[in-house]
Order: sequence, then structure tokens, then C-alpha cells
Amino acid sequence: EAAVTQSPRSKVAVTGGKVTLSCHQTNNHDYMYWYRQDTGHGLRLIHYSYVADSTEKGDIPDGYKASRPSQENFSLILELASLSQTAVYFCASSDQGAPNERLFFGHGTKLSVL
Amino acid sequence: QEKVQQSPESLIVPEGAMSSLNCTFSNSASQSIWWYQQHPGKGPEALISIFSNGNKKEGRLTVYLNRASLHVSLHIRDSQPSDSAVYLCAVSYYAQGLTFGLGTRVSVFP
Repeated sequence: EAAVTQSPRSKVAVTGGKVTLSCHQTNNHDYMYWYRQDTGHGLRLIHYSYVADSTEKGDIPDGYKASRPSQENFSLILELASLSQTAVYFCASSDQGAPNERLFFGHGTKLSVL
Repeated sequence: QEKVQQSPESLIVPEGAMSSLNCTFSNSASQSIWWYQQHPGKGPEALISIFSNGNKKEGRLTVYLNRASLHVSLHIRDSQPSDSAVYLCAVSYYAQGLTFGLGTRVSVFP
């Protein structure tokens, strides 16, 4: 069974601070994704990557950076955290691109920005 | 921005009954449509996908797709309390993106 591990499970950050969310997968998948989930908006794609050392913008990339230092690891960086970035963040991986491949999601990171 | 709308918002069914969920999407040029299940505090888990018009059955799950009416439905036969979760419809519109609906919360009571 595919495994996607996120850390931390929850985090409280201050407005204007830097936040790094980490994701590690043991599936040997090429594709990795960061989504956020909010009440009223559902899951929205922030950034994704299909190869190490390269990232692509998703639907809502503003205020976020991503880093893919290796096939297994994918980080989401909030340089200046804002109240509007309070949400649950999910990392996912897939063997090929999203349309025809199921995504394997981690358990999520609950981020509260105060 | 493509839109995916799900109905009903919530559904309460007795154990053993059929659960029927609906999803409409905004563009017939979509590729695959996926259904994901999400339990509280967990990440979504893929259940079933469909690409071609018609129906697809896997175990207790049946999905129907009608691209002309931009509609897809999921039916869960013999619903169990363990099926209680939020069900997300996800539509793929471009190479790497999935657009998710807000979900239908299903509660199955014994």
C-alpha cells in the first residue's frame, strides 16, 4: 500500500512568520502534489512536481513556494504566513499524472495562523 | 475555473439501503472523473473512476457517467456504518489537475 507521510500533523504559526510543511513518500512515484482544504472551497491544488528539483504552479500558488529536493520529498513553504492561510494541507503522490492515476494522500497538516 | 458541484450536501440512510450521490461538472472536455472517500481527520482515498459514458461497477459501488448532461452519480449498495464519510467528486481538466467538489456527507445508521 502506498505511503505518504506529512509532518507536522498540526502547527500554530504567527502572522508574518515562516512555515515549512514536509511530505515524504515511499511509493517511488514521480508526481507529488500539495492541496489545501477549506470549508466552502474544497480541495484546491497549490503546487505540484513531476521530477526532482522542479516544481509547477497549481491553481492557487500565490503566497506559497514548493521544493522537491528528491523524488521522495516535497515541501511547501509559506514565507510570510497570513490568517487566510489557515487550512488543512494535504500532500499526495501518483505514479503518473493526475487524470488517469489515483492520488495517494497523506493524513494532512492542520495549520492555524494567528 | 472549472466547477464541480455535488448534491445532496448530506445524506442519512439506514444500514442496508442504497446511497445515491450526484455530481455535475462544467465542461464536457473533462477527462476522468474520480470519487474519493474521506473519513474525519484523514486524507481522501480513491474509490473508483470512470472515463467513458455509461456505467462501471466495482463491488458495492456503481458509477454512471453522462457527458452530454455533464452528470456523474455514485451509488453504494447495501450501505454500512463504515461507509459513513464525506464523498468527493473530482474531475480532471488538464494534464495535472483535479478539480474537487465540496463533497457529500453520508451517515449510515444501524
